[in-house]
Amino acid sequence: KQEVTQIPAALSVPEGENLVLNCSFTDSAIYNLQWFRQDPGKGLTSLLLIQSSQREQTSGRLNASLDKSSGRSTLYIAASQPGDSATYLCAVSSGANSKLTFGKGITLSVRP
Amino acid sequence: GAVVSQHPSRVICKSGTSVKIECRSLDFQATTMFWYRQFPKQSLMLMATSNEGSKATYEQGVEKDKFLINHASLTLSTLTVTSAHPEDSSFYICSGRGELDTQYFGPGTRLTVL
Repeated sequence: KQEVTQIPAALSVPEGENLVLNCSFTDSAIYNLQWFRQDPGKGLTSLLLIQSSQREQTSGRLNASLDKSSGRSTLYIAASQPGDSATYLCAVSSGANSKLTFGKGITLSVRP
Repeated sequence: GAVVSQHPSRVICKSGTSVKIECRSLDFQATTMFWYRQFPKQSLMLMATSNEGSKATYEQGVEKDKFLINHASLTLSTLTVTSAHPEDSSFYICSGRGELDTQYFGPGTRLTVL
């Protein structure tokens, strides 16, 4: 059974800092991995999707990497801003049309 | 990007009543939609997978007679919580599967059962 872990559960950084959020998964046979952002009381916004054949994806100040063999992914946020404060979840899919398995998320707070 | 809407965004009901939540894909067709629930400070728990025109597939431990799912069209899926009880109070989120297996999530529905 796939398990996704995100540690730490919460993180607080000063504005402007570059930071890395970690995600690990137990079964390396994944189809893809997604990073999502969730604001309090809101739904999820997809940030980046990495296919199993890819090593990384970039969007603006965000860069997500994937090391399938070691069961790890990182989300790099450059020059963090208070508006980046949210919960970041990673999720893996084991195949096309299969369900997503989510981690519990990392709640990020960027202090002005 | 693809947009998914949910209605209502917030609902309060009395114990024993039924509540229907709608999930719509606004600018894409979603042959597959998913229903999740999320408790405070917890991650999303998949309840069921809904395929257009066929019966939903429920995850282990989810009562299919309590959480009725209908996916009658490529843009609409509904979740009905029947005979709701306070323990059903939660945040319910749907998603629709789009291109490249990406899931697009709705804004969620906060259900409070008194």
